[in-house]
Amino acid sequence: DAGVIQSPRHEVTEMGQEVTLRCKPISGHDYLFWYRQTMMRGLELLIYFNNNVPIDDSGMPEDRFSAKMPNASFSTLKIQPSEPRDSAVYFCASRGAGNQPQHFGDGTRLSIL
Amino acid sequence: SQQGEEDPQALSIQEGENATMNCSYKTSINNLQWYRQNSGRGLVHLILIRSNEREKHSGRLRVTLDTSKKSSSLLITASRAADTASYFCATENSGNTPLVFGKGTRLSVIA
Repeated sequence: DAGVIQSPRHEVTEMGQEVTLRCKPISGHDYLFWYRQTMMRGLELLIYFNNNVPIDDSGMPEDRFSAKMPNASFSTLKIQPSEPRDSAVYFCASRGAGNQPQHFGDGTRLSIL
Repeated sequence: SQQGEEDPQALSIQEGENATMNCSYKTSINNLQWYRQNSGRGLVHLILIRSNEREKHSGRLRVTLDTSKKSSSLLITASRAADTASYFCATENSGNTPLVFGKGTRLSVIA
C-alpha cells in the first residue's frame, strides 16, 4: 500500500509568494492532520480534518494559513503571503477511526527567503 | 501545545547497549504512542500502549506505562547503528482526538 504522499518534498521561494503544499492520505483513513516541525517548537498540530470536514484549526498560526480537503484523497495547505518565519518542515498524517496509529508523509521542507 | 516531554533530549550509546527514553505527560490519557523519525523522513509508528496496559513488547522494543506517575519509558535492547533516530512519545487524551507530541529524544548509536 502507498503511504501518505506529500508534494513537493522541497520548496524554496521568496517572501510574499503563495505556497501550496499537497497531501494524499492513505485510502480509507478518516482523519487527516497537518503539522509543522521546527527545532524551536517541535511538532505542532496546525489543523485536522475528519471525513473531509475541518474539526480544529486552532493551531493555524495566522490568517495567512489556510487548509482545504475537497475530497477524501486530497488536501492542501496554503500560505499566502509567505514569510521567512514560515520556514519549517510541514507534515501531513492520516489515520483510521479508533485507537489507530498515525501514518506520516515524508514532509515538505519549506524555505522562505 | 506539548503534553509529552521526553527525557533525555539526547542520548549517545555504543552499539549493543540498551537505550532507555522516558516520557512524562500532564493529563489523563486514552493511550500513549511512540514514534521514530529518521533524518529527513516522516515519523513512523513504533508501538501503542493503552491506558489500562502496563507493559508492551515489540521485537527489541519494550514500553512501560505508569498512569499514576503519568510517565512512560521506551527501552531498545541490543541497539544497532540503524536505531539512530529521534524518538517521540505522543498521547491521545480521549477517543479520536489528535495526538499531542513531545519534542523527542535524539538517539545516536555508535558502531
